[in-house]
Amino acid sequence: GAGVSQSPRYKVAKRGQDVALRCDPISGHVSLFWYQQALGQGPEFLTYFQNEAQLDKSGLPSDRFFAERPEGSVSTLKIQRTQQEDSAVYLCASSLGTSYRDHSNQPQHFGDGTRLSIL
Amino acid sequence: GESVGLHLPTLSVQEGDNSIINCAYSNSASDYFIWYKQESGKGPQFIIDIRSNMDKRQGQRVTVLLNKTVKHLSLQIAATQPGDSAVYFCACPGGGADGLTFGKGTHLIIQP
Repeated sequence: GAGVSQSPRYKVAKRGQDVALRCDPISGHVSLFWYQQALGQGPEFLTYFQNEAQLDKSGLPSDRFFAERPEGSVSTLKIQRTQQEDSAVYLCASSLGTSYRDHSNQPQHFGDGTRLSIL
Repeated sequence: GESVGLHLPTLSVQEGDNSIINCAYSNSASDYFIWYKQESGKGPQFIIDIRSNMDKRQGQRVTVLLNKTVKHLSLQIAATQPGDSAVYFCACPGGGADGLTFGKGTHLIIQP
């Protein structure tokens, strides 16, 4: 079946430009997560949506990062005025369950990510 | 806060041997653990999960063991194959955030 789809797969931008990264979750999945993965590291949590509600954005590194999921399906992660330290792979994941705070213990399924390079 | 780590950054095994990848966690309240496999250029792929009310869970060629006393879990891969070459991460909910906390990963290398 269809998995999580992310686009573009690669994005190169000049410092100071804005970028938008798209995520199509698995159909019917309530929860959607964004992670940032630096080279040689594990993914780090950025933000969480339950349907269209952004319930947790504690991992967003600065106010230059903004995410939305207006209809509870597709999500977009936007980074404004990009900086070199924003270079990383941005991963999206979706889950059938709700928040882990609810002990809704369901695995997250990941897309292949967008590799962002800021020159 | 929550931290999840792996004991070894690289593990090299002979093809056909069993592989054991270890992971330690710090929060004794963690109640759910997941193992992911990540191949180069791809996203993490779900392998197996285990809830804290279990000590062991088996999948196809994989077994996860959970020792809550010492806050340790392991992933065992039977009859390791070349396709098992990847970075393996353990992960669990924690740190107050709704997402998963990942360890740094163990790179499994298969020797022919």
